[in-house]
Amino acid sequence: LAKTTQPISMDSYEGQEVNITCSHNNIATNDYITWYQQFPSQGPRFIIQGYKTKVTNEVASLFIPADRKSSTLSLPRVSLSDTAVYYCLVGPNTGGFKTIFGAGTRLFVKA
Amino acid sequence: DAGVTQSPTHLIKTRGQQVTLRCSPKSGHDTVSWYQQALGQGPQFIFQYYEEEERQRGNFPDRFSGHQFPNYSSELNVNALLLGDSALYLCASSPRPDGLPYEQYFGPGTRLTVT
Repeated sequence: LAKTTQPISMDSYEGQEVNITCSHNNIATNDYITWYQQFPSQGPRFIIQGYKTKVTNEVASLFIPADRKSSTLSLPRVSLSDTAVYYCLVGPNTGGFKTIFGAGTRLFVKA
Repeated sequence: DAGVTQSPTHLIKTRGQQVTLRCSPKSGHDTVSWYQQALGQGPQFIFQYYEEEERQRGNFPDRFSGHQFPNYSSELNVNALLLGDSALYLCASSPRPDGLPYEQYFGPGTRLTVT
């Protein structure tokens, strides 16, 4: 099972770009990388998913180097409402026992 | 289009009792997964239901059981409650259980407190 390692917490200020890096050295060939966001007392919310190179949607960008042993979630111009826990998941799909949620990265956005 | 709904929102039980939590998946989804999230930790996978059968199971004891109904809704049952079962229980739905990657939609969760 591919284990992920993320920073425990990060601080930022409103309007800044935030990059959260996740390490997954044992990623398998058929594994995808998925990021979720979770606010207190709410269920996680899907942000973005990718397999290689770069993926961008209206919320974030995901950068994956050629060796796929790490990935970086990029949040452009964060606001106070982006304060949340961000989880990096690696697995063949985004559900089931093969997909493990770690402790996540707690992002604090300050005014 | 209703998202994933869960009931009840909060629940307080006594050690040794039994509890049933309920989940209705997002419209168009037929696969339901249940997770347990202890305070300060990430969600831990309990099991997944598809076509009314348990398809995958995480590292949880048999005290945790579930059911999926023909309308794709699901129940999570926990018997002989322990203090350590206190957690946020999350239900997630998706359009299919395996194959190409897909995103899960999570409900707001049920906060279970065991005293």
